[in-house]
Amino acid sequence: EAEVAQSPRYKITEKSQAVAFWCDPISGHATLYWYRQILGQGPELLVQFQDESVVDDSQLPKDRFSAERLKGVDSTLKIQPAELGDSAMYLCASSSRDREAFFGQGTRLTVV
Amino acid sequence: AQTVTQSQPEMSVQEAETVTLSCTYDTSESNYYLFWYKQPPSRQMILVIRQEAYKQQNATENRFSVNFQKAAKSFSLKISDSQLGDTAMYFCAFRMNRDDKIIFGKGTRLHILP
Repeated sequence: EAEVAQSPRYKITEKSQAVAFWCDPISGHATLYWYRQILGQGPELLVQFQDESVVDDSQLPKDRFSAERLKGVDSTLKIQPAELGDSAMYLCASSSRDREAFFGQGTRLTVV
Repeated sequence: AQTVTQSQPEMSVQEAETVTLSCTYDTSESNYYLFWYKQPPSRQMILVIRQEAYKQQNATENRFSVNFQKAAKSFSLKISDSQLGDTAMYFCAFRMNRDDKIIFGKGTRLHILP
């Protein structure tokens, strides 16, 4: 069964360092989402791609976060510099038109 | 802007009982989807059930069913014959057909007690 792949699963980084997360969506899924989930809360949309184009990045803190999906397949989310408040689960999801989103296992980031 | 509200932060029920989780949403869109997702402790988010807004019939998936009231903008999830494995966070989500954006509620933590 096809799955959304994310790496790494866990990341510990010092504040002010750079960190990057990778996501490989289900093959054929044009829409890719990055969410941030603080423990015990609902996912918050950071950025949404349609193929290689950004559809929505209104909640992405652009002074420190960046996201790309250069060939419309896999995607990278970067934080530079990381802050203590960035500690959270970062979830990637993908979907095809008119379907639900399928989620990866997430990357748990701890900033120390 | 679209919003999704889950008014029950936490619930507990005995195994084999029926439980209903509430969700309301606000939108001016007419074409959309609604979902319930389950996130077990330290595990992946998975879809429980989906509902197309244009369908009047309530969706069902085995022990899971929804009560979709479009005019009231309400979308509750009923879990029948609850099992220990149903213990998880449950999220209500809304997807607009216009731009495929998916937004989530804050979740309900459900405990099934033995």
